[in-house]
Amino acid sequence: AQSVTQLGSHVSVSEGALVLLRCNYSSSVPPYLFWYVQYPNQGLQLLLKYTSAATLVKGINGFEAEFKKSETSFHLTKPSAHMSDAAEYFCAVSDRSNQGGKLIFGQGTELSVKP
Amino acid sequence: GAGVSQTPSNKVTEKGKYVELRCDPISGHTALYWYRQSLGQGPEFLIYFQGTGAADDSGLPNDRFFAVRPEGSVSTLKIQRTERGDSAVYLCASSLLAGGQGTQYFGPGTRLTVL
Repeated sequence: AQSVTQLGSHVSVSEGALVLLRCNYSSSVPPYLFWYVQYPNQGLQLLLKYTSAATLVKGINGFEAEFKKSETSFHLTKPSAHMSDAAEYFCAVSDRSNQGGKLIFGQGTELSVKP
Repeated sequence: GAGVSQTPSNKVTEKGKYVELRCDPISGHTALYWYRQSLGQGPEFLIYFQGTGAADDSGLPNDRFFAVRPEGSVSTLKIQRTERGDSAVYLCASSLLAGGQGTQYFGPGTRLTVL
């Protein structure tokens, strides 16, 4: 069965530092890949998604992610962290063969940004 | 435009009671999904509707859980004989396109507490 692993349940960075949140998936056939952000007391918001085109995907708020098939990874990065980036981040996959497109989520990574 | 809305935002009930959770999707979105998010975990898929029909209910944990979408818009998730383990945030999402390439837009969730 498809699974998603997010390394590090908590990541802390200083304001202005690089943000790197890790995500690895399990399937041999590359799935669709997503990153969602969840701010406190708010719903999940899509940051970016990979479907099949360019392997480097740019999203909202300066985030981007690179799909690496050889590493089965889809890590999320941002060059310079801002205080407002503090939130919970979820990586998710959707099996290409699943017509409904149900999402399978990782356990999440909580990002803290220190001033 | 209006996003996905869910009511109530919070529901406290006693063990053994029946509860209904409502989801209003984005107008025109034919695909609707329910997920459950336990504390410290990523969301877990419950059920997917395409129009009025439940196209994939593989995530429903047992027969105490049931969902309907009679007119292809609003959906209700119903839980019978609630148990303490049902306590979680129940998330609804809708999408214009079904399948992995569609973007799922999430509501704020209903926090269910079973005492």
